[in-house]
Amino acid sequence: EAGVTQFPSHSVIEKGQTVTLRCDPISGHDNLYWYRRVMGKEIKFLLHFVKESKQDESGMPNNRFLAERTGGTYSTLKVQPAELEDSGVYFCASSQDSVYEQYFGPGTRLTVT
Amino acid sequence: RKEVEQDPGPFNVPEGATVAFNCTYSNSASQSFFWYRQDCRKEPKLLMSVYSSGNEDGRFTAQLNRASQYISLLIRDSKLSDSATYLCVVNPPSNTGKLIFGQGTTLQVKP
Repeated sequence: EAGVTQFPSHSVIEKGQTVTLRCDPISGHDNLYWYRRVMGKEIKFLLHFVKESKQDESGMPNNRFLAERTGGTYSTLKVQPAELEDSGVYFCASSQDSVYEQYFGPGTRLTVT
Repeated sequence: RKEVEQDPGPFNVPEGATVAFNCTYSNSASQSFFWYRQDCRKEPKLLMSVYSSGNEDGRFTAQLNRASQYISLLIRDSKLSDSATYLCVVNPPSNTGKLIFGQGTTLQVKP
């Protein structure tokens, strides 16, 4: 069974540009989560989808971040415009029946210069 | 104060040693507790859930002390392959799957 996949694996953009990250959860997993780890800090929760609905978006840092999950399958996370402090690793995770057994993708390493 | 606190280490131990990691959490109403393992530049992977009665999985034993808001992980007979960062993770009182991560404790097992 394929795991959680994320694209791209790396992205380098300039401040002010837009970047879109994609996550494909494990097939059949209704729950999808976004987290990020900035340099030297712990992994922090961004938001949680159940199917196509946002269950909890309390961790989204500001309105430059937009997450979508149209159709309840894959999800995108768009950062527009990107700022230097957005640099970090963005992880996606998914889970099936138990919202607590989360499987993580390999992450997208975002560098904003 | 951080919601989940861990000693970042590193812990450098010889093969075969027993090593213990501790973690404290601030929200007494937290519901679920986990240890994740993260290898360098890889994603976190669930190592084990932590139950109130304590639980064991092979060489790994996890304990929870709700009164002290304290979680521990004990690794016996350390292997070189145990070298990694161990993340203490807590699910706060909410109706979502939000996980709160500690900063992680780094373990290096030496031959």
